[in-house]
Amino acid sequence: EVQLVESGGAVVQPGGSLRLSCEASGFNFADLNMHWVRQAPGKGLEWISYTNWNGELKYYADSVRGRFTVSRDNSKSFLFLQMESLAKEDTALYFCVKEKAASNYFDAWGQGTQVTVSS
Amino acid sequence: QSALTQPASVSGSPGQSITISCTGTTSDVGRYNYVSWYQQHPGKAPKLILYDVSSRPSGISKRFSGSKSGNTASLTISGLQAEDEAAYFCSSFRPDTTRVFGGGTKVTVL
Repeated sequence: EVQLVESGGAVVQPGGSLRLSCEASGFNFADLNMHWVRQAPGKGLEWISYTNWNGELKYYADSVRGRFTVSRDNSKSFLFLQMESLAKEDTALYFCVKEKAASNYFDAWGQGTQVTVSS
Repeated sequence: QSALTQPASVSGSPGQSITISCTGTTSDVGRYNYVSWYQQHPGKAPKLILYDVSSRPSGISKRFSGSKSGNTASLTISGLQAEDEAAYFCSSFRPDTTRVFGGGTKVTVL
């Protein structure tokens, strides 16, 4: 069974940093592209980051580029999101999302980890 | 990086059909047949219900169907049921960022 379990969410002050983790199991993590998607309270989904299977190709949404960094450890089946210079607008539930192999859609989502930026 | 455009809400009575539109541009929806749809119930993670415009994953009801014309994709739910009450999000491939979502549509079963 495919499982994606996020962790690392917390309450952090504006300007602070946080590192999110996503532990993957039930599939060949090292073979697949992965994404981070977030959802602000009561709002829609916002795609924020992508990494290809080997971590050499990365993309970011304009809203987080230069502040967030995606990485992965294929030996341990972990996906990470390092977040810097956090602002109130970054308050959201952050989902780790698996991309279907050789496709362009998301076929598995974690339950999310909550990040709250507040003074 | 503008989001795709969806109506904020759509409603229908049990048994009826409803259609949710998802409008993008010639750079995403209009250019690629890589539109997918996700259903999200309150407090739950999104769930894939359609991919590549009109394909259904295993286990998804045939009541869900998809189509595309020009820059607009559509999700139709036929035989509306109480369990269909949820938020629905479209997504498209976009070469500059790889993905973009619509703002979401809240479906209410009257």
